[in-house]
Amino acid sequence: DAKTTQPNSMESNEEEPVHLPCNHSTISGTDYIHWYRQLPSQGPEYVIHGLTSNVNNRMASLAIAEDRKSSTLILHRATLRDAAVYYCILRDEDFGNEKLTFGTGTRLTIIP
Amino acid sequence: GAGVSQSPRYKVTKRGQDVALRCDPISGHVSLYWYRQALGQGPEFLTYFNYEAQQDKSGLPNDRFSAERPEGSISTLTIQRTEQRDSAMYRCASSSQSGTSTDTQYFGPGTRLTVL
Repeated sequence: DAKTTQPNSMESNEEEPVHLPCNHSTISGTDYIHWYRQLPSQGPEYVIHGLTSNVNNRMASLAIAEDRKSSTLILHRATLRDAAVYYCILRDEDFGNEKLTFGTGTRLTIIP
Repeated sequence: GAGVSQSPRYKVTKRGQDVALRCDPISGHVSLYWYRQALGQGPEFLTYFNYEAQQDKSGLPNDRFSAERPEGSISTLTIQRTEQRDSAMYRCASSSQSGTSTDTQYFGPGTRLTVL
């Protein structure tokens, strides 16, 4: 299975943009890039996903490198409620790969 | 609407006892997943169902762990003869689709299991 590499932790100031990187150099052509986050004492929640093109939704943006070997989750204006562990996950398009394989993620701290 | 619910939220048991953890998925969701999460780690896949069929149980650690979803809705994860190493947060998730890599999984609040 293709693996992802993320920094263990990051800090950002409140109300500033945050760029969370993820490296996936062994990504296959059929792997979707998913991001989930886990707020303190809660279950993981979906943030965004993409395949090749950059994606935007109400929570965040996902920027995918042209060679797809890395991606960046962008929170445009971080709030204290965005403090969480962020997981970058690859999911193969082929049937039978429905499970999410979490790594250790990036713990994001927001400084007031 | 109601999200995924799990019960009990906390379970303390003595080593050697059996425990049953319940998951009630979002109504109408086809797929149901069980994960286990140790402190400071990401969730680890255990097993998953499409409707009532158990499609993948490759993550179950050993034969003391079993899961069922007899009517394609509520699921029970059973751990027999519990051991201290089974202590963890057990999380359930459900999704509306099956067989896709783009469906969103919705997670419940988890059951914190402590084996003394």
